[in-house]
Amino acid sequence: EAGVTQSPRYAVLQEGQAVSFWCDPISGHDTLYWYQQPRDQGPQLLVYFRDEAVIDNSQLPSDRFSAVRPKGTNSTLKIQSAKQGDTATYLCASKGARNERLFFGHGTKLSVL
Amino acid sequence: GDQVEQSPSALSLHEGTGSALRCNFTTTMRAVQWFQQNSRGSLINLFYLASGTKENGRLKSTFNSKESYSTLHIRDAQLEDSGTYFCAAPTGGNNKLTFGQGTVLSVIP
Repeated sequence: EAGVTQSPRYAVLQEGQAVSFWCDPISGHDTLYWYQQPRDQGPQLLVYFRDEAVIDNSQLPSDRFSAVRPKGTNSTLKIQSAKQGDTATYLCASKGARNERLFFGHGTKLSVL
Repeated sequence: GDQVEQSPSALSLHEGTGSALRCNFTTTMRAVQWFQQNSRGSLINLFYLASGTKENGRLKSTFNSKESYSTLHIRDAQLEDSGTYFCAAPTGGNNKLTFGQGTVLSVIP
């Protein structure tokens, strides 16, 4: 069984540029999560979906961040006009309906200069 | 406030020795998940516990929901055990994981 796949592995931007991260969850997993992990901190939830619906995006900076999961499978997280404070690893995770364990992808490490 | 508190924040072990990492919860949690984050940044699943004790090789974890804590024991530490260890618990109706701040483990020869 393939794990959670993310791309790209790394991204380096200047402030003000835009970037998109892509996530392919484990097949059959209905719940998908995006976490932000600043350096030397634990992961912090940004948004999560059940199928195509956003369940909780209360921690997503809505002025510059957006996330979609249009068909309830793959998901895209986009940052418009990145800031240096966005420098972090962005982790995608998925969970099946009958399982409480989350499985994480390897993350995308973003550096905003 | 923080719901998941980990200690210690950093730990050094000589190869072959062991220690315990602790995770305290400020509210009652129904389960705990432990992860190792390696040097490449990947979060590796170690354990998921809803109660009791699980063991896997040189690692053992316990979860006491009544007293709101979990522990991760490492014995006979090896260099490849180095990394950051996170515990996390389901919150928000059990649909999302809240993480602790991690314990940075360094295993030295």
